[in-house]
Amino acid sequence: AQSVTQLGSHVSVSEGALVLLRCNYSSSVPPYLFWYVQYPNQGLQLLLKYTSAATLVKGINGFEAEFKKSETSFHLTKPSAHMSDAAEYFCAVSGPGNNRKLIWGLGTSLAVNP
Amino acid sequence: EADIYQTPRYLVIGTGKKITLECSQTMGHDKMYWYQQDPGMELHLIHYSYGVNSTEKGDLSSESTVSRIRTEHFPLTLESARPSHTSQYLCASSDPGRVETQYFGPGTRLLVL
Repeated sequence: AQSVTQLGSHVSVSEGALVLLRCNYSSSVPPYLFWYVQYPNQGLQLLLKYTSAATLVKGINGFEAEFKKSETSFHLTKPSAHMSDAAEYFCAVSGPGNNRKLIWGLGTSLAVNP
Repeated sequence: EADIYQTPRYLVIGTGKKITLECSQTMGHDKMYWYQQDPGMELHLIHYSYGVNSTEKGDLSSESTVSRIRTEHFPLTLESARPSHTSQYLCASSDPGRVETQYFGPGTRLLVL
C-alpha cells in the first residue's frame, strides 16, 4: 500500500539558510510524487512533481526535489530561505490503479526567522 | 493551471442549519475532490467524483453529501450542521493524463456554533 512520511512536523530556519523538508514514501508501483505548499488561509498550490522523467525536479519559487529510489525519498530543498517561504508543505504520492487518488503526508510547517 | 473557485470563503452558522459549500472549476476536469482539513493540517479525503453523476465517499467518513450534475460544479451539503463539522473544506480537481495533478481552490473555513 502507498504511504508517505514527512519527518518533522515543524522546521525552523534562518533567513538565507538552506531549507530541507523530508519526505519518504512507500509504493508498490513506480510512484508519482508531489510537493504542495499552503499559505495561511489559502488552498494548496503545486510546487513540483516527479513523473519518472528526471530525478531532480525543479519547481516554483526556487524549490527543487530529488527522487532517490534507493532511499525511497523525495526531499524538498531550497538553497536560501526567504521570509515568504513560511508556510505548510505537503508531500503526496499518487495511488495505484486507475483512480490515482493522492496519499498525503501529515505536512511540515516551515518557519523562517529573520 | 486550473481555475477553481470556492464560496463562501468563510462561514459562521448555528447548529442545525443546512449549508451548501460551492465549488466550481473552469478547466473541464472530470475528476473532482473534497477534502476536510483539521487545524493540525492533515488532509482527509471525504468525497470524490470521476464525472457527471458519479460520486464516491472518501477515506474519512463524513455526514456531508455531494452532487455532480454538471462537470464544472461539485457542491457539498451539510443537512444539519454541528460544531464537530467546524473545519476547513478544500475542493480540488485533477487534469486527465498519465500524471493526474490536483489543483486546489482557496478553501472554505466553516465555524459551527
